[in-house]
Amino acid sequence: GNSVTQMEGPVTLSEEAFLTINCTYTATGYPSLFWYVQYPGEGLQLLLKATKADDKGSNKGFEATYRKETTSFHLEKGSVQVSDSAVYFCALSTGGYQKVTFGIGTKLQVIP
Amino acid sequence: DAGVIQSPRHEVTEMGQEVTLRCKPISGHDYLFWYRQTMMRGLELLIYFNNNVPIDDSGMPEDRFSAKMPNASFSTLKIQPSEPRDSAVYFCASSLRSGRAGETQYFGPGTRLLVL
Repeated sequence: GNSVTQMEGPVTLSEEAFLTINCTYTATGYPSLFWYVQYPGEGLQLLLKATKADDKGSNKGFEATYRKETTSFHLEKGSVQVSDSAVYFCALSTGGYQKVTFGIGTKLQVIP
Repeated sequence: DAGVIQSPRHEVTEMGQEVTLRCKPISGHDYLFWYRQTMMRGLELLIYFNNNVPIDDSGMPEDRFSAKMPNASFSTLKIQPSEPRDSAVYFCASSLRSGRAGETQYFGPGTRLLVL
């Protein structure tokens, strides 16, 4: 079956620090990969996605590259801000199915 | 578009009472999902619908939970009777089946349920 493994948090960084949140996956077929973000008190929203190997998704300064050889989709940002404090979920879907498998979520706290 | 709409946003009830959560998906979306989020178990998919038909309800915890989608613009998740362990945030999400890989799910703001 499909599964997503991401690093457990919380991750605490100072403003302007470099961020990496690791994500690896197991899937049948060729999955599409996502990062969703959940700000306090809100629902999840899509941050970025990649649908095939070597694709790079990017948004709001965040990037992640679909690495088929290492089955990974690590999230990075060069300089985090306090407003990036949120929970980040790695996720995947396979084939034509709309069902999405989510990781456990990684809480990021950015301090001034 | 107003996005996915959920009501109520907060619900406090006593054990044994019936609870009904409501969701209006984004117009034109074919898929609707119900999730539950807790600190202990994270985000769990309870059930999802395609064109108003339930496709996979394997995540529904037990018979106390039921979900319906009488039309394309409305769905309910009912818990009867409720128990304290049902306390969680319940999210509704919808997506469009376009035939392309990697469709985005759009989440509502959630209903925070507390069962006393």
